[in-house]
Amino acid sequence: RKEVEQDPGPFNVPEGATVAFNCTYSNSASQSFFWYRQDCRKEPKLLMSVYSSGNEDGRFTAQLNRASQYISLLIRDSKLSDSATYLCAVNEATDKLIFGTGTRLQVFP
Amino acid sequence: GAVVSQHPSWVICKSGTSVKIECRSLDFQATTMFWYRQFPKQSLMLMATSNEGSKATYEQGVEKDKFLINHASLTLSTLTVTSAHPEDSSFYICSAGVPDTQYFGPGTRLTVL
Repeated sequence: RKEVEQDPGPFNVPEGATVAFNCTYSNSASQSFFWYRQDCRKEPKLLMSVYSSGNEDGRFTAQLNRASQYISLLIRDSKLSDSATYLCAVNEATDKLIFGTGTRLQVFP
Repeated sequence: GAVVSQHPSWVICKSGTSVKIECRSLDFQATTMFWYRQFPKQSLMLMATSNEGSKATYEQGVEKDKFLINHASLTLSTLTVTSAHPEDSSFYICSAGVPDTQYFGPGTRLTVL
């Protein structure tokens, strides 16, 4: 079983749609969780950290479910510019970031 | 926010040559840097953890004699791909660790002919 798993997609959604991604992790001792956005041929950029209580940043909402060992990302009112690959990452105690394979999102007009 | 640079941004080399990639933290000091590799349509795979002033820690399956890492200062880590072969062609990305998050360099695209 992979340490961090994501549905690779692609998720093809129209502008204005709401889309949600899930990511599961296998190490119950994982301490920190993140969502990154990666555009084609570019480095990942931190989108948001994921806190136990859940957190929201504009159209983006992240949640953590420790009992079921998954994190989620919800994007509301999708924009064309949201088209990218979304990577979840899990930080183990050693500060190593373990990435999922990424979920590709394509927003169409 | 923290800025990490990488050089070169892309390189094409012949099989058998060695390629050095630099990773610099521009506005902060980083005792730890990380080197990742990403093949097309795959995720970032951690290769090694670079520690300032000590030996790097390599992930399982990564050859330490092939991927030489030097972290001589708090702002610079280098990755040297020795005797590169076509299968080493990939996108190499470094990151610098700060508490609870990492900032990534723009990556180096290596193509070995």
